[in-house]
This record gives sequence, structure tokens and C-alpha cells, in this order.
Amino acid sequence: ETGVTQSPTHLIKTRGQQVTLRCSSQSGHNTVSWYQQALGQGPQFIFQYYREEENGRGNFPPRFSGLQFPNYSSELNVNALELDDSALYLCASTLGGPNSPLHFGNGTRLTVT
Amino acid sequence: KQEVTQIPAALSVPEGENLVLNCSFTDSAIYNLQWFRQDPGKGLTSLLLIQSSQREQTSGRLNASLDKSSGRSTLYIAASQPGDSATYLCAVEETSGSRLTFGEGTQLTVNP
Repeated sequence: ETGVTQSPTHLIKTRGQQVTLRCSSQSGHNTVSWYQQALGQGPQFIFQYYREEENGRGNFPPRFSGLQFPNYSSELNVNALELDDSALYLCASTLGGPNSPLHFGNGTRLTVT
Repeated sequence: KQEVTQIPAALSVPEGENLVLNCSFTDSAIYNLQWFRQDPGKGLTSLLLIQSSQREQTSGRLNASLDKSSGRSTLYIAASQPGDSATYLCAVEETSGSRLTFGEGTQLTVNP
């Protein structure tokens, strides 16, 4: 049990729609990261938030956006869904500080048809 | 741009074997390296974290080594068990608190 909870577990959307994925981190985990994992691939970094501010972004277009809230929850929003957005989306949080381990949730499986 | 490669992509062994999974990275200026386990359809579980100043870390039947200068890490699993079947991912962190760059994983199957 990592203490990181993601919802929903599975989601099916149609191309062009918008989706919001949610993550609840452990209390005190000020840093949250989101990763996209396509089938058979390693996770790819989308972005990271620290104390409600984005402080790092991977090679993803602006239609991928996020929010972090004071209660240690966060959201990943994806607009104008494309077929290639089908993947497992993973949220990870950490207390921060040197060599603090990342705690991953079980992910949300998004299918875009 | 950091790139992480894992060899082999898949491995099938009989129960009881000792095995080695390999990870290589292109930029040796890393902060730490982590090994994760991922069960099908699940999130990642951290197994071992090796700081850049360390050479190895051990946890139970698992031992991970790091040779930063050559850009290599190995994960050694002793006396493998069917419950070890999973995908093993290595990831490097280039600066403290920054993103992780992952390899594509090694899918391990341990047959009873």
C-alpha cells in the first residue's frame, strides 16, 4: 500500500473529448508527478507540481495540463483526446528532499476510441 | 538527452535460478538510480534506490549495483520464485527532485 490513490481505475473516451484524472497523495507529500505509460513501454514524464506550482514538464503538448490542491490531491486534464493518448496514467508523490522515494498509485487506464 | 536501455526485454527462467537484469544509461551525471517492480495493470513499487555515490544496495534476495562511470546498473535476483514474475524497470534521476527517466523494462517470468 503506497498511500497514493488514483481514480477512476479505467476510463473509455472518444477522440476529441476531454478527460480529468485524479490522484490523492499521502499527507505531507508536497511533490506530485504524472507519467504516461503506453503498453509495453516505460513511463514517460508528463509534469511535476510542487506546492501547487508546475516545476517541470516533459515533452507533452499544452493540451495536457494539471492542478495540485492544498489537500495533497491533484488532477491531470487532457483536452482534445487523440487515439495515441490511450495509456496507463500514473501519479507519483514524494515527501521531497534528497533521495526521497517516489510512491506510485495503481494508475488510470485510459482508452480513446 | 538521457536515454535508458534495459536488456533483455523478456526473460523466462525456472524457479530457483539466480538471474541478472541489466540497465544502461547514456549520461553518467545522475543523482540516483532506482529499480521498480510492476505487476500487470498495476503501479510501480520501488525496490531499491542507489545514490550516485553508492556502488550497491541490497534488500533480501535483491542486490542492485551501480557503475556510474560506465553508465550501467544490474539487478541481481537470487533464488528466483514464481512470485518474482513481473516487469522490472530501472529509472535515473538526474538532479534531486527532478523527473525520472525510465527504461522500457524487463518482463520476467519464473516458472514453477
